[in-house]
Amino acid sequence: GPKVLQIPSHQIIDMGQMVTLNCDPVSNHLYFYWYKQILGQQMEFLVNFYNGKVMEKSKLFKDQFSVERPDGSYFTLKIQPTALEDSAVYFCASSSGLGGLYEQYFGPGTRLTVL
Amino acid sequence: QQNVQQSPESLIVPEGARTSLNCTFSDSASQYFWWYRQHSGKAPKALMSIFSNGEKEEGRFTIHLNKASLHFSLHIRDSQPSDSALYLCAGGTGGLSGKLTFGEGTQVTVIS
Repeated sequence: GPKVLQIPSHQIIDMGQMVTLNCDPVSNHLYFYWYKQILGQQMEFLVNFYNGKVMEKSKLFKDQFSVERPDGSYFTLKIQPTALEDSAVYFCASSSGLGGLYEQYFGPGTRLTVL
Repeated sequence: QQNVQQSPESLIVPEGARTSLNCTFSDSASQYFWWYRQHSGKAPKALMSIFSNGEKEEGRFTIHLNKASLHFSLHIRDSQPSDSALYLCAGGTGGLSGKLTFGEGTQVTVIS
């Protein structure tokens, strides 16, 4: 079936540095999402993105976070600067439509460790 | 903010048995209900969805939704070792929100 790829699978960085998480969504999908999962907790919605714009974001999507998809390349989540509490697994997803009616296809996640 | 509670946290079942997983939502915000399955180290993958009260069956899997009681369940008939995974329930709202609200998951282990 359709696959979402995430690069890298693991990333370790020092607090205060910038990090970019990359997502290669399903090829004909138009809607993109990031979710955050802290160890032992549920996956939580961060943001969704369509047509070059943030459509909706949660309170977890801090000012230090940004998303973009330049020219149909990777959908990225950038954190600058990183903080210790950003350590989590970040899941990217994509869908063909917006709303709970449409299946979201997830990637395997990027495990981010901030030291 | 909606809360989603899943029970049990973990389950060990013998091969061939029936597995039942439960999910309760804290309010009626969600209109679309999904079960996702995540094998260890892999991406969560949608298993089944339901959008109105009632029951839906696909092969060995059956889901039930009762919007009045905010209860959503998944039943696996003739459980197989390949069913061993983390099962996540999720609710989605309508309109222009793409946000899914997830539970913490139930870890299922099917033993031969």
